[in-house]
Amino acid sequence: GAVVSQHPSRVICKSGTSVKIECRSLDFQATTMFWYRQFPKQSLMLMATSNEGSKATYEQGVEKDKFLINHASLTLSTLTVTSAHPEDSSFYICSARVPQDIQYFGAGTRLSVL
Amino acid sequence: AQKVTQAQTEISVVEKEDVTLDCVYETRDTTYYLFWYKQPPSGELVFLIRRNSFDEQNEISGRYSWNFQKSTSSFNFTITASQVVDSAVYFCALSRDSWGKFQFGAGTQVVVTP
Repeated sequence: GAVVSQHPSRVICKSGTSVKIECRSLDFQATTMFWYRQFPKQSLMLMATSNEGSKATYEQGVEKDKFLINHASLTLSTLTVTSAHPEDSSFYICSARVPQDIQYFGAGTRLSVL
Repeated sequence: AQKVTQAQTEISVVEKEDVTLDCVYETRDTTYYLFWYKQPPSGELVFLIRRNSFDEQNEISGRYSWNFQKSTSSFNFTITASQVVDSAVYFCALSRDSWGKFQFGAGTQVVVTP
């Protein structure tokens, strides 16, 4: 199947700093990527849909100024958690839509905010 | 609104036992897609199956089998002769599109002990 690379896999940061997470489609062009958040032992919650060259569409309750999404190319989407606080600690997973196929997921990023 | 219910939080079995994971869904759409994903401890989501609402044929893939019943809005998943490597969280998901956007169930943790 298609490969989606997510980096970093783990990040620890101080409260108040910003963290950027990258999601890359390695062997295909992804016009649409998705960002999910997963709390321990819970399901994945869709945060936003990222479309190449346009603004992301955020789900209800997700702060767009807190979670900045940029999809500047067909192979890269980034999620920046701005001014991170301990409550932002979570597992963030991206996925990319393969045309005429399904979503493929990255391996996730575990964010810990101290 | 769409909803996916995975009532089983955790299932523990001994190797070689069969295990069935329940998935019940709610949707008003006549066309929809159902998915199963596996999330091993490493975190990435592994695609297992996609089924559209017009295809009620059951499917078998190796030790995995799926039972789709529209009459009861269920899409259950059975692992036959379980192995330790099957230990993971399994998510059932519902989507209007063949490629997502997903409504995930809460997930079922499967623990297979030797």
